[in-house]
Amino acid sequence: AQKVTQAQTEISVVEKEDVTLDCVYETRDTTYYLFWYKQPPSGELVFLIRRNSFDEQNEISGRYSWNFQKSTSSFNFTITASQVVDSAVYFCALSEAPPGGYQKVTFGTGTKLQVIP
Amino acid sequence: DARVTQTPRHKVTEMGQEVTMRCQPILGHNTVFWYRQTMMQGLELLAYFRNRAPLDDSGMPKDRFSAEMPDATLATLKIQPSEPRDSAVYFCASGRPTSGVNEQYFGPGTRLTVT
Repeated sequence: AQKVTQAQTEISVVEKEDVTLDCVYETRDTTYYLFWYKQPPSGELVFLIRRNSFDEQNEISGRYSWNFQKSTSSFNFTITASQVVDSAVYFCALSEAPPGGYQKVTFGTGTKLQVIP
Repeated sequence: DARVTQTPRHKVTEMGQEVTMRCQPILGHNTVFWYRQTMMQGLELLAYFRNRAPLDDSGMPKDRFSAEMPDATLATLKIQPSEPRDSAVYFCASGRPTSGVNEQYFGPGTRLTVT
């Protein structure tokens, strides 16, 4: 069974601080995919990134970066120089990839980030 | 900028009434998901369609919930009869498997309140 744990329920930072959101996952599969989604106060879930289990290269996109560590089953998300617009709930998700293609996506419980001006 | 659309955005109804939520997936996407989000349970997968065929609806209470895709541009989630515990935000997501993975794009959700 697959599981995603986001131990941080809520985080508050002051604008311009860096913040890291933790994500730990469990899966028995060797092939799987990890995702991060952002849910701003408007409620819509916005796709941020996808990572497959064979690609441990870290990724940077502007102020966002992701650190994938298979050895610790973690896929952490760092926001550099946070801004008020980053305030949202962030979800980490895991999808296994069984033969035949049906991939159920399991979401973590989310981390609510509040960036204080 | 293609988006998943959902109607209605908000729905308030009385217990026992039928509720129908609609979703228009992104054109060209062949997978559709229905999720329910509550404070207590987080995001729960209710149903999953691929090429309009239901592949998994194990997360859905069968006695009162039903999901269909009458055509490639419309997915529906129906609750009959509705109960207060059904109050939640219902999200539809669509995707098109690329490189073997479903990348899901979510609609804005339908906020349902059952009194």
